[in-house]
Amino acid sequence: GNSVTQMEGPVTLSEEAFLTINCTYTATGYPSLFWYVQYPGEGLQLLLKATKADDKGSNKGFEATYRKETTSFHLEKGSVQVSDSAVYFCALGRGDMRFGAGTRLTVKP
Amino acid sequence: EAEVAQSPRYKITEKSQAVAFWCDPISGHATLYWYRQILGQGPELLVQFQDESVVDDSQLPKDRFSAERLKGVDSTLKIQPAELGDSAMYLCASSIQGLDSQETQYFGPGTRLLVL
Repeated sequence: GNSVTQMEGPVTLSEEAFLTINCTYTATGYPSLFWYVQYPGEGLQLLLKATKADDKGSNKGFEATYRKETTSFHLEKGSVQVSDSAVYFCALGRGDMRFGAGTRLTVKP
Repeated sequence: EAEVAQSPRYKITEKSQAVAFWCDPISGHATLYWYRQILGQGPELLVQFQDESVVDDSQLPKDRFSAERLKGVDSTLKIQPAELGDSAMYLCASSIQGLDSQETQYFGPGTRLLVL
């Protein structure tokens, strides 16, 4: 079945550092891929998505490219801010969503 | 911007008691999901509705959990009796097919349940 594997956290960075959170997937067919962000005590917010191979999703300086050849959807940001501190979830699916375990990011000033 | 509403935000109960959570999806979203998120893990699907019909409840512990969406709009998830292991965040999400036929789920703020 479909599944997602995320790099384990926690990840701690200094402000303005480069961020990469790795995500790889196993899937039948061509599901959509998503990154969601969860702030403390809140639900999940959609950060970005990609619906087919080679698509690049982007939002708020974050980017991720749907790589079919490496079955990956790594999240990147060129310069993180303290306000980016949160838990990030990679997910795939078309209705029946599968989520990774989440990666906690802490950005220090 | 339209949002998924959930209540209550927090619930503390004793084991063997009954609890209920409510969700109001984004207007016009025919598909509604309930997820359970254990601390430190990703959400796991409990039940999926399409309008008022259950599409998938294969992961719902039916001996103690029930879910309904009688008019195809808002939904209630019930646990009776609650057990210590039910302590978790319960998330509701809704979706609509996009113009490209892809689906995006939008989540509510969740209900955090603590069973004592």
